[in-house]
Amino acid sequence: QKEVEQDPGPLSVPEGAIVSLNCTYSNSAFQYFMWYRQYSRKGPELLMYTYSSGNKEDGRFTAQVDKSSKYISLFIRDSQPSDSATYLCAMSVSGNQFYFGTGTSLTVIP
Amino acid sequence: GAVVSQHPSWVICKSGTSVKIECRSLDFQATTMFWYRQFPKQSLMLMATSNEGSKATYEQGVEKDKFLINHASLTLSTLTVTSAHPEDSSFYICSAREAQGNGELFFGEGSRLTVL
Repeated sequence: QKEVEQDPGPLSVPEGAIVSLNCTYSNSAFQYFMWYRQYSRKGPELLMYTYSSGNKEDGRFTAQVDKSSKYISLFIRDSQPSDSATYLCAMSVSGNQFYFGTGTSLTVIP
Repeated sequence: GAVVSQHPSWVICKSGTSVKIECRSLDFQATTMFWYRQFPKQSLMLMATSNEGSKATYEQGVEKDKFLINHASLTLSTLTVTSAHPEDSSFYICSAREAQGNGELFFGEGSRLTVL
């Protein structure tokens, strides 16, 4: 079983839709959770960082961590064509070793 | 957020030559940097963990004599692809964790290597 599972998609939504991206994990010791956005031929850009459980909101983005279910989510409200990218989840126990999802490819159609 | 700069962003070289890629943390000190390789439409593949002042830790299957990593200061790590061959063509990305940080990991812009 992989440490982190993420549906690769692809996911296509119309502009303005709410997008839900998810990852599940197996290691209950993970306590650092991150979401990255990666445009084609670019390095990943840190979007959201959460320590332990709970929700975090930043503009149109909301990250949720449910440690009891070992499940994290990223919600994008009022999605824009510029949100079209691959979204990677990442997790770590202590910040020394990081585990990544395979990435979900998102296309927002104007 | 913190900035990690990677250079060059694009390099083309002849087979048999060596190529050096630099990774710098611009506004923070990074005791640990990571080097990844990414193939088209695939996720990141960790190659090695670079620790300042000590030898890098390589992942299984990654040749340490082929991919030389040096982390000589708290803000700079380099990856040298030695005697490059066309199969080494790939997108190489570094990331850095702030020494006094809270576990966030920041990535460079990536370096696309093409070996002719």
